[in-house]
Formats: sequence, structure tokens, C-alpha cells
Amino acid sequence: DQQVKQNSPSLSVQEGRISILNCDYTNSMFDYFLWYKKYPAEGPTFLISISSIKDKNEDGRFTVFLNKSAKHLSLHIVPSQPGDSAVYFCAASNQGAQKLVFGQGTRLTINP
Amino acid sequence: GAGVSQSPRYKVAKRGQDVALRCDPISGHVSLFWYQQALGQGPEFLTYFQNEAQLDKSGLPSDRFFAERPEGSVSTLKIQRTQQEDSAVYLCASSQRGFAEKLFFGSGTQLSVL
Repeated sequence: DQQVKQNSPSLSVQEGRISILNCDYTNSMFDYFLWYKKYPAEGPTFLISISSIKDKNEDGRFTVFLNKSAKHLSLHIVPSQPGDSAVYFCAASNQGAQKLVFGQGTRLTINP
Repeated sequence: GAGVSQSPRYKVAKRGQDVALRCDPISGHVSLFWYQQALGQGPEFLTYFQNEAQLDKSGLPSDRFFAERPEGSVSTLKIQRTQQEDSAVYLCASSQRGFAEKLFFGSGTQLSVL
């Protein structure tokens, strides 16, 4: 039972344009959501997070949107840069729980 | 060191062999997590420590998997009688507080069981 789903295994975007990565979840108890970025041969690194009391959180070029009614979140990267090429994982947890539930990941490629 | 350190970086084991994977978390981090990442998948939770106490081991796939953190710092994940399905990257992560946010991950140990 995949509680967090990233339905696009890969995404290709031209440098300077917007990248939009999507994530859906099924567990309505989730109240905290995160995005991690992973380069080859490295562990995931934290990118941005959002609590369920908000619908948007912005940090520089990165914005995460949360639609609780649709159980959907998205990560927007504007403008996209070559260094953004990586695998992006969304993750979710519910308050008090210590475990993160990860999606399968989306490989983002930024083309010059 | 500044980050989470895992060793060995790669491990090749024959089926049936026991292996031990080491994790050095960031100094002072209370919480330590182990995750398993199969090829093409996201990390899956294995177990969680707060200091030396193992508070959640619900993700360990079988009793062949055992984890410890005896002094609340370094942790070891041990897999007994390895099977081919144990082949994966094993990720260790730590966080400053006892909450699953902003985890700092190590580079992982890639285990291949032949």
C-alpha cells in the first residue's frame, strides 16, 4: 500500500523555465510534508517542508503547495538551473510519529 | 565530522553471510533512523532510536535484522544470514530533536548479496 505516490518517474525541463513536481498521498492523518533532493552516490538532503496548517511555503526559488482536500502537494522550482538536476522525493509524516513515508521519487533533468 | 558518516560504502556478501553496517550520526543529534532503499524506490523506514533507546523497530523486515545504539551515538545495523532480497542501499539519518523532520542523511551503504 503506497501511501505517498509520485506518479512521474522522470521530468525534463529547459533551463530557466519552471519545474513542477507532483506528489499525492492517501493517509489523511499526515500533517507534515517534506521534499528531499538526492544526487547520485549521496544521501537525500532536505529541501523544503510544509505543515498542514499552511497551503504554501516559499524558500528562494523553491515553493511547495499543499492541497489538503485533494491530498496533493507540488514543488515548484523557478527558474530551473542545471544544478537542480537530481532525484526529488516527497515525504510525509503525522504528528508524533517518528517515521517519514517517502514517495518513489522523480528524476528531474534540466537541459541547457 | 560535519555530517552523518556510514561505513562501509559498499559491501558484497555471499548469501547466508552476516553483515554489520555502521553509522556515525552528527554529534549531539538525539534521534537516529535507519532506512532501506531498493533500486528505483524511495527510502523505507526500518527503525528509530532516541538516544540509546530503540523506540520503533516496526519497519525491520524480519528477525534477521537487528539494530543497536548502545551509547546513544554510533549505531550498527546487523543483518544475519543475508538473502538476495536484502540487496539495497541502507541509509542512516540523524536529527537534532526527537522528531522526523529535516533529517540529515548519510551517503548510505550499498549492500549486494550474491
